[in-house]
Amino acid sequence: DAGVIQSPRHEVTEMGQEVTLRCKPISGHNSLFWYRQTMMRGLELLIYFNNNVPIDDSGMPEDRFSAKMPNASFSTLKIQPSEPRDSAVYFCASSFLASGRLDEQFFGPGTRLTVL
Amino acid sequence: GQQVMQIPQYQHVQEGEDFTTYCNSSTTLSNIQWYKQRPGGHPVFLIQLVKSGEVKKQKRLTFQFGEAKKNSSLHITATQTTDVGTYFCAGHAGKSTFGDGTTLTVKP
Repeated sequence: DAGVIQSPRHEVTEMGQEVTLRCKPISGHNSLFWYRQTMMRGLELLIYFNNNVPIDDSGMPEDRFSAKMPNASFSTLKIQPSEPRDSAVYFCASSFLASGRLDEQFFGPGTRLTVL
Repeated sequence: GQQVMQIPQYQHVQEGEDFTTYCNSSTTLSNIQWYKQRPGGHPVFLIQLVKSGEVKKQKRLTFQFGEAKKNSSLHITATQTTDVGTYFCAGHAGKSTFGDGTTLTVKP
């Protein structure tokens, strides 16, 4: 297995533009997480899906952020419109949840987003 | 909501010295995981603790889970330069919450 795949690896955009980050989780995993990491705020959980259904989106900063998981092998995180304060590394991670116990999370390489 | 506090935020040691990072949760956890993130990399899973009072070892690393399942620690014996990075705990109680991490630097 190739592990968790994220694209793009780097994104530079201008304020106001729409940004879409993509993630392919590990096959067989039923849980998917989107995180944002900055020096100031550390590693923040944005949203968590289980069996393609959003379970906890309390970490999503505001309405400019949206996430979808149309099927078990693909998820997107969209920022529209983007702002400079959205600059961060965005990680996708996948895992397997059964009987209330969450296995280890496998992180993708991350997308480094810079909003000018 | 669930909060996970991790201390210290930074730790600088001389190579060969020991290192410990502590993790405390505001709620009782079903399990706790530890991750390591190298500079410029992504978090990589180290270990999971499930049982009250559990202790696990991986070579020079010792992981402990408190009796009340609300705290945990990671101890590294005789640090090496390859140990540099940020160590995160992640407590799971219905959802996973990561601590802020402890960044370890090692002087050769």
